[in-house]
Parts: sequence; structure tokens; C-alpha cells
Amino acid sequence: GQNIDQPTEMTATEGAIVQINCTYQTSGFNGLFWYQQHAGEAPTFLSYNVLDGLEEKGRFSSFLSRSKGYSYLLLKELQMKDSASYLCAVNNDYKLSFGAGTTVTVRA
Amino acid sequence: GAGVSQSPSNKVTEKGKDVELRCDPISGHTALYWYRQSLGQGLEFLIYFQGNSAPDKSGLPSDRFSAERTGGSVSTLTIQRTQQEDSAVYLCASSLERYPAWNTEAFFGQGTRLTVV
Repeated sequence: GQNIDQPTEMTATEGAIVQINCTYQTSGFNGLFWYQQHAGEAPTFLSYNVLDGLEEKGRFSSFLSRSKGYSYLLLKELQMKDSASYLCAVNNDYKLSFGAGTTVTVRA
Repeated sequence: GAGVSQSPSNKVTEKGKDVELRCDPISGHTALYWYRQSLGQGLEFLIYFQGNSAPDKSGLPSDRFSAERTGGSVSTLTIQRTQQEDSAVYLCASSLERYPAWNTEAFFGQGTRLTVV
């Protein structure tokens, strides 16, 4: 089966840094995605990791450790528009299995 | 089209009625997925299409749910004899390749919000 865990909620201040952790136990692995989803909108792609290490993309970075079944998404210089749900998803063959999402609230 | 299009965006139906949800994937995308998202929950996989065939229907919750895809493009998800627990947002996604990756990520539609009353 698939088991993907991430915290339910996180709150941070504008300009700060927040790290969202994701741990997974899946029967297969072809990469890990992070998606952002604003309320009432479609999830949009943020990052993809298939090899161990850090992928940096502007204010967002994502890290993967396959041996530990662990990833994190790092959001730097938080802006109010970053308030959203962040979804960790593991690609197993063709199927994306999602965690329940982490709701990040950015406060002024 | 420019993105994945789903219709209707909202649907309210009476318990026991049948509903059809439509998904127009991005042109040329061979892989198509249906997911369901209940309030406060993660995305629940329903079914995967590669072309017109569905190699994996394992996520369909019951035999009241069915889906088809024609012409390697449009897909329809049908829910028969709807129940209140079917209320959720139904999301469709498509990707260029069978194996989503950094350059072939899955693109999601806006979803259909289904409310069964």
C-alpha cells in the first residue's frame, strides 16, 4: 500500500522560512512531486525530485532522501500569496499517490 | 486546448440520480487521471487511462462509478445512483507521458464540485 504523511497545518510570518516535511512508504518509486493548491483551485506543479539531494527553484527548494523515504519543501521569503495547501505526491509507475496536504498560513 | 478543462464546474444533484462529469485533457496528452478530493482530505486516485484503455480502475469506490475515454482525448466519469458520500471535488489531470517527471508533470483541471443532496 501507499502511506504518505505530512503535517496538517503550519503558520509562518511574512518574510520567514517554512519547511514542510513529507515521509512516505510506497510499493514503488519513480519520483516525488510537490504541488501547490490554493483554495478552490487546481493543484499546480512546484517541484520534482527523483535523485537524492536538493532542487532549488527561486524561493522554493525541495529535498529528497530515498533511503529515508523523506522529502521536504522549503519556502523562503514567504509572501502572503504563498498561503495555500502544499501536496506531497509519490509517483509509482504512472500513478501519483498524494498525502493529505499541508495548509500553510502566512501572517503579516 | 491551453489547459485541462472540466465541466460542469459545479453540480448539485439529488440522491439517487446519475451524473456525468467531463474532462478535456491537454491536446496530445496520452495519460489521463481522475482523482477525488473530499473536504480536508488528500487526492484519492480513481482511475488511469493510457490512450483509450484503462489499465488501472482500482480506485473506483464502487460499481456505481465508471469512466470512459474516447479518441484518446475526452473522458467522462459517470456516477450512477449518487449517494451523499459521493459529494467531493472530482479532479482530472493529464500528462504527456506515462511516467510523470519534471518535464512531463501532470496538469490538473479546476475540478467539478459535486454536491449530492
